[in-house]
Amino acid sequence: GENVEQHPSTLSVQEGDSAVIKCTYSDSASNYFPWYKQELGKGPQLIIDIRSNVGEKKDQRIAVTLNKTAKHFSLHITETQPEDSAVYFCAARLIQGAQKLVFGQGTRLTINP
Amino acid sequence: NAGVTQTPKFRILKIGQSMTLQCTQDMNHNYMYWYRQDPGMGLKLIYYSVGAGITDKGEVPNGYNVSRSTTEDFPLRLELAAPSQTSVYFCASTLSEGFQQPQHFGDGTRLSIL
Repeated sequence: GENVEQHPSTLSVQEGDSAVIKCTYSDSASNYFPWYKQELGKGPQLIIDIRSNVGEKKDQRIAVTLNKTAKHFSLHITETQPEDSAVYFCAARLIQGAQKLVFGQGTRLTINP
Repeated sequence: NAGVTQTPKFRILKIGQSMTLQCTQDMNHNYMYWYRQDPGMGLKLIYYSVGAGITDKGEVPNGYNVSRSTTEDFPLRLELAAPSQTSVYFCASTLSEGFQQPQHFGDGTRLSIL
């Protein structure tokens, strides 16, 4: 089945710097890759997603890139702010029915003021 | 819209006890999911449902049961609680229609088995 690996597990950056989180997936048939942000005591919230027919997508300070050949995708956060501190999860959607997602292990991002 | 609502938010159980985690959504989503999240790990799929009366096992179904009698509700049952089931449980839902619909999550139930 699908397997998603996420790195790093923890990331600490200075406020204003950029943060990059990387994921690899194993099933070349996966076609949808969302990123979720989880704040303390809350459920995951979708922040950006990308489809397999697109190489890059941007939403203000957040961008995601996808390399289908290498089977990896990355989350880029620019001009980081304290409120960006959270746990971030990548996921890949199996092409088979029920829209099931397979999640990476998560990255705890800390923004230092 | 309240979205996905989970109750209770916290619970402590003794080994061997049973309980039901409640999940309801008001978005008329036909797909619903239960995940567990262990410390430092991603979310693992326990069970899912593609509509009322239809359920199927996910990656880690042992020790759990589900039912889906209505579109809105998807309860998760633990029959004989074990320490290995100490975790945070999340319910999620999505529309089946439309390509690559996002999953919407509740805020979780934090369960400790002692």
